[in-house]
Amino acid sequence: QSALTQPRSVSGSPGQSVTISCTGASSDVGGYNFVSWYQQHPGKAPKLMIYDVSKRPSGVPDRFSGSKSGNTASLSISGLQADDEADYYCCSYAGSYIWVFGGGTKLTVL
Amino acid sequence: QLQLQLAGPGLVKSSETLSLTCTVSRGSFISSSFYWAWIRQAPGKGLEWIGSIFHSGTTYYNPSLKSRVTISVDTSKKQFSLKLNSMTAADTAVYYCARTFFVRGGMASNWFDPWGQGTLVTVSS
Repeated sequence: QSALTQPRSVSGSPGQSVTISCTGASSDVGGYNFVSWYQQHPGKAPKLMIYDVSKRPSGVPDRFSGSKSGNTASLSISGLQADDEADYYCCSYAGSYIWVFGGGTKLTVL
Repeated sequence: QLQLQLAGPGLVKSSETLSLTCTVSRGSFISSSFYWAWIRQAPGKGLEWIGSIFHSGTTYYNPSLKSRVTISVDTSKKQFSLKLNSMTAADTAVYYCARTFFVRGGMASNWFDPWGQGTLVTVSS
């Protein structure tokens, strides 16, 4: 199972919007609506931000949203804030009770 | 709020076996919707799913690690454990345990939350 493909880095200024892509295959991202996104600050454990492609857990701001088209999922963050600067990882179910993560994207708030 | 506490050595010698245990507290361990996962992150790298276990003991492994991994569960202690044998420098990573919520069918849903604090395991020669 190959890791999902994410851009290594994205950046944006405070108040702006950014989108992080996550490309897989029909056997994972394209085949199931089980894509989740995690935020990881340095030295911390990952935190669930989006699940089931576009659902937000309680406590996650509505500035964070998710979507999917074909084999590519996306995480969008609007109204960028300094604390959004972190690494973001996508994850997809790949069938047969196997999961695959993306390589991660470093978000820099300029 | 369910918590996961990870325990195990921070240093393992090359060719030896890593053993880690994750203890669940402040929440249910047995559920038809919960699986218990091990995930790792090599320094400066992305997350890698190692494997998951259901409370019944049914296991699921990353195909790339399957030959070296054993995950087990002790429901009486609300613990699940990871053993990874034949350790090499490439296995140096922060190891996390996490709860997986996974339901298929009409109420389908899937996520990893919460995560344990993570522990850095270094393989020495």
